[in-house]
Amino acid sequence: SQTIHQWPATLVQPVGSPLSLECTVEGTSNPNLYWYRQAAGRGLQLLFYSVGIGQISSEVPQNLSASRPQDRQFILSSKKLLLSDSGFYLCALIQAGRIFSGNTIYFGEGSWLTVV
Amino acid sequence: GENVEQHPSTLSVQEGDSAVIKCTYSDSASNYFPWYKQELGKRPQLIIDIRSNVGEKKDQRIAVTLNKTAKHFSLHITETQPEDSAVYFCAASILGYGGSQGNLIFGKGTKLSVKP
Repeated sequence: SQTIHQWPATLVQPVGSPLSLECTVEGTSNPNLYWYRQAAGRGLQLLFYSVGIGQISSEVPQNLSASRPQDRQFILSSKKLLLSDSGFYLCALIQAGRIFSGNTIYFGEGSWLTVV
Repeated sequence: GENVEQHPSTLSVQEGDSAVIKCTYSDSASNYFPWYKQELGKRPQLIIDIRSNVGEKKDQRIAVTLNKTAKHFSLHITETQPEDSAVYFCAASILGYGGSQGNLIFGKGTKLSVKP
């Protein structure tokens, strides 16, 4: 079965510093990969998704970026963090499959980011 | 794009009572509607899902109903227990043929509190 590894689990970064969150998956190939953000007391906001190596789609314009250098690796980055970037970041995958075959989304354990 | 509205944002019930959470979606092409439970500080976990070819699905104390005409779906939890306390998210997506997977768009969540 597929697994998602996400790190770091927690980090505290000053405003204006860079960010790199890494997500790797195992047990599947050609997954669709996602980065979601969950601000305190709010829902899951889709930030980026990727259907393959080098293919990134952005859902929300912001100072974050994503990259997919390998099929099973998805990276979330920022050159300069803002206070509003604080939140719980979740990497997720959807395994390709046929319609009505039980597709669902699997989440990593999440990364707590506090920008101070 | 798809927009998912979820109500209520908070819900408090007595142990043993039923809880109902409702969601509406905007894209009539959406055909996959999962529900996730998220405990504090943890990743969301799938608890039940429904596809557009059925109107209702049950799994023990949990049930989901779907009204495609009205574009709304609901989560029903019967005989609630304190361990049901969590944030619940609905989502909508499009499952395509041949493995294509639309992005999951989440509601903003409902914080359910079950009082003993």
